[in-house]
Amino acid sequence: GQNIDQPTEMTATEGAIVQINCTYQTSGFNGLFWYQQHAGEAPTFLSYNVLDGLEEKGRFSSFLSRSKGYSYLLLKELQMKDSASYLCVRVDSNYQLIWGAGTKLIIKP
Amino acid sequence: DVKVTQSSRYLVKRTGEKVFLECVQDMDHENMFWYRQDPGLGLRLIYFSYDVKMKEKGDIPEGYSVSREKKERFSLILESASTNQTSMYLCASSTPGTGSQETQYFGPGTRLLVL
Repeated sequence: GQNIDQPTEMTATEGAIVQINCTYQTSGFNGLFWYQQHAGEAPTFLSYNVLDGLEEKGRFSSFLSRSKGYSYLLLKELQMKDSASYLCVRVDSNYQLIWGAGTKLIIKP
Repeated sequence: DVKVTQSSRYLVKRTGEKVFLECVQDMDHENMFWYRQDPGLGLRLIYFSYDVKMKEKGDIPEGYSVSREKKERFSLILESASTNQTSMYLCASSTPGTGSQETQYFGPGTRLLVL
């Protein structure tokens, strides 16, 4: 994706915690989404951040630092069904979505 | 729940054929989008529409056209399919606004193979 960097792949163990990082271009920033995409399926909305700080939603939390151009998605108590790609998406100055290439998360028993 | 449907999950076409991909949403959303998704790349926007009969080019419109005759339906047309258009095509819709209102809801995708 345009100026969005996230790891290509990560591996974690069932029951553990994993943090997926995303860095992005800070100019013209209007918010950041995280989407989940299971293999062969469409992306589905996970979270949205526009202010600095941590947003918690059940097992998933998303953090944003606007000054650093940095976000992370934190997944706790990992389950096998969490195996998916996680897409970091920046909202630009025209409110268009700029999509990262995604991080493929592999969960092992 | 928002429901976005696409006419086909899988399509196989030959080079030079005209291809129609249909997308329908049932939530009265003004905004509709067509993306393609290829391995190792983020979703790339082909075309979008903010209203009936309105269309705007996205990042990669070449080789594609669109039609929005009704609010709920947004069609993607490949005028003359080529092998480099083999891809996963995703349709999405959203309400107008800013911030979290930009949340897009996706259809299941159409995996197109051009031979």
